[in-house]
Amino acid sequence: DGGITQSPKYLFRKEGQNVTLSCEQNLNHDAMYWYRQDPGQGLRLIYYSQIVNDFQKGDIAEGYSVSREKKESFPLTVTSAQKNPTAFYLCASSVRGPNGYTFGSGTRLTVV
Amino acid sequence: GENVEQHPSTLSVQEGDSAVIKCTYSDSASNYFPWYKQELGKRPQLIIDIRSNVGEKKDQRIAVTLNKTAKHFSLHITETQPEDSAVYFCAAKRDSTLTFGKGTMLLVSP
Repeated sequence: DGGITQSPKYLFRKEGQNVTLSCEQNLNHDAMYWYRQDPGQGLRLIYYSQIVNDFQKGDIAEGYSVSREKKESFPLTVTSAQKNPTAFYLCASSVRGPNGYTFGSGTRLTVV
Repeated sequence: GENVEQHPSTLSVQEGDSAVIKCTYSDSASNYFPWYKQELGKRPQLIIDIRSNVGEKKDQRIAVTLNKTAKHFSLHITETQPEDSAVYFCAAKRDSTLTFGKGTMLLVSP
């Protein structure tokens, strides 16, 4: 689905539970990103990775964690420390340099 | 870090009219400026982009202009159609990450 796949599409979580969102790409892109989208807030950067086994915090990293063990995969864990996790989460990838992103189809997380 | 401001937040036009969305950025080192269109519940899709060594770029009914001195760039859509209705995001890139504006909801009425 456009070379970058997010799963699941919808996710429900009870308060106090950790949950992991999957992101896989077959575009051979070096860089991968996680953004959070809330109504009226645009897209805010959570974490990004430019190379395997390396990643950096974005603007709103608190309460989230990531790993980059393979070039193709960049899973995001939403921990119980994230106080307001209900949101639409978008994963993206890109080649290096002044180029745009390819986005996944997103995961809508709801805390119940 | 980079800060991107986008205006207006909502824009309503009649079919056939033109629409203009404006963005400003703060970091003079930013060198890449894409525009994304997002339909309800869908992923953002790249519709046009411009690099810092270019002042204007056109693709059929859409165009983007960049003023590096003033640090602003704009999206122009001519002959709007109902299927242009969506949320549009501008963004600016320095090094490896994009900073996005908060979006403009464009509504094109038949």
